[in-house]
Amino acid sequence: QTVVTQEPSFSVSPGGTVTLTCGLRSGSVSTGYYPSWYQQTPGQAPRILIYSTSSRSSGVPDRFSGSILGNKAALTITGAQAHDESDYYCLLYMGRGVRVFGGGTKLTVL
Amino acid sequence: QLQLQESGPGLVKPSETLSLTCVVSGGSISSSSYYWGWIRQPPGKGLEWIGIVFYTGSTDYSPSLKSRLTISVDTSKNHFSLKLSSVTAADTAVYYCARLVLPGTTFDSWGQGALVTVSS
Repeated sequence: QTVVTQEPSFSVSPGGTVTLTCGLRSGSVSTGYYPSWYQQTPGQAPRILIYSTSSRSSGVPDRFSGSILGNKAALTITGAQAHDESDYYCLLYMGRGVRVFGGGTKLTVL
Repeated sequence: QLQLQESGPGLVKPSETLSLTCVVSGGSISSSSYYWGWIRQPPGKGLEWIGIVFYTGSTDYSPSLKSRLTISVDTSKNHFSLKLSSVTAADTAVYYCARLVLPGTTFDSWGQGALVTVSS
């Protein structure tokens, strides 16, 4: 039972644009869920990319952007590069102090 | 620069209690701007939010782990700790500690992670 949903995998061509989404099994994601996005490469700790829906963390290239698209949070990568190939996780604030990660999206750049 | 470092046994027997400590350096754990949290990742699987603690000792836990979980803070030692009781093989994971920026979901600094295996 995955409460927070993400695409299990996605593929993008080098230089292309891809949008990953983060939804709820029931209901819509809004800014009140404070959606954030993390990038993780094998063997490494996750790294924050986007917080509070659309704020870019320090040092994160502006190729990464966050938004709400329809009823989901979204992470868009423009001009994808080979080293963007990673796992991407969203994290939502569900209320009453509880946070929940999405299942993650494995992004392939080829 | 803020650093977090997990420490604790790498092997725990089933039904026993998993204990980890996260030492914070380069900054004070007694800040009203941050919570301090634990996240885990079973081998080959996704991230799971475990829980967080404020420097006052206030906590928030994952509902699925709440009955077995204790997270505490020791401001005199600038560290916080995780205890998970009655462990099974399903608790085998890399356990990360991290700093949570209030409000919301921003874990902006992470430890390197500690692998804990539950096995007899």
